[in-house]
Amino acid sequence: QTVVTQEASFSVSPGGTVTLTCGLSSGSVSPSYQPSWYQQTPGQAPRTLIYSTNTRSSGVPDRFSGSILGNKAALTITGAQADDESDYYCVLYMGTGIWVFGGGTKLTVL
Amino acid sequence: QVQLVESGGGVVQPGGSLRLSCTASGFTFTSSGMHWVRQAPGKGLEWVAFIRYDESHKFYADSVKGRITISRDNSKNTLYLQMNSLRPEDTAVYYCAPLGLGQSFDYWGQGTLVTVSS
Repeated sequence: QTVVTQEASFSVSPGGTVTLTCGLSSGSVSPSYQPSWYQQTPGQAPRTLIYSTNTRSSGVPDRFSGSILGNKAALTITGAQADDESDYYCVLYMGTGIWVFGGGTKLTVL
Repeated sequence: QVQLVESGGGVVQPGGSLRLSCTASGFTFTSSGMHWVRQAPGKGLEWVAFIRYDESHKFYADSVKGRITISRDNSKNTLYLQMNSLRPEDTAVYYCAPLGLGQSFDYWGQGTLVTVSS
């Protein structure tokens, strides 16, 4: 069974840069997996940030960017702000109508 | 603007059934594939099911296959999730989301809570 891996937690200083990653338990993430990223604060619905590896969703600030780094998808936040403190989820499309979410990364800004 | 309103959640005993609804507006529902995604209390997001715009294809996560059925009524702009043989591990907030560009989840409703407990 395919497992999508994310860091459990990460911290960044205000104004700093952080890169969260999204990998596979077996194999490498490529653009063909159409990685996308979502932000969720407690008690709220998720918000779509990035799709197709590196395309920002409408209204998403350009301090959020997506890429492939090595064998993983990555979400980079540049100039982190206090309200970026959230849970971040990636999801990969496995093809044949199956999507798999990563376990999420809890980002702390302090 | 896009609105997705999930409903039908509640408390149900193990082995019971429940039907969730998602009423959509603000986008062309009839030409959009639709997902259900769930989130157990304090846990991460889990993809549950997907249905193509014309119901020609339906896909399910292994964890729900055989117990859950996704369907839609395009005349009512409504998505459904029929859940049978419910288990305590099905306890979660259930969200609907249209298929977005790049196989993404485009917008999200506020979800409906399903609690499976005796």
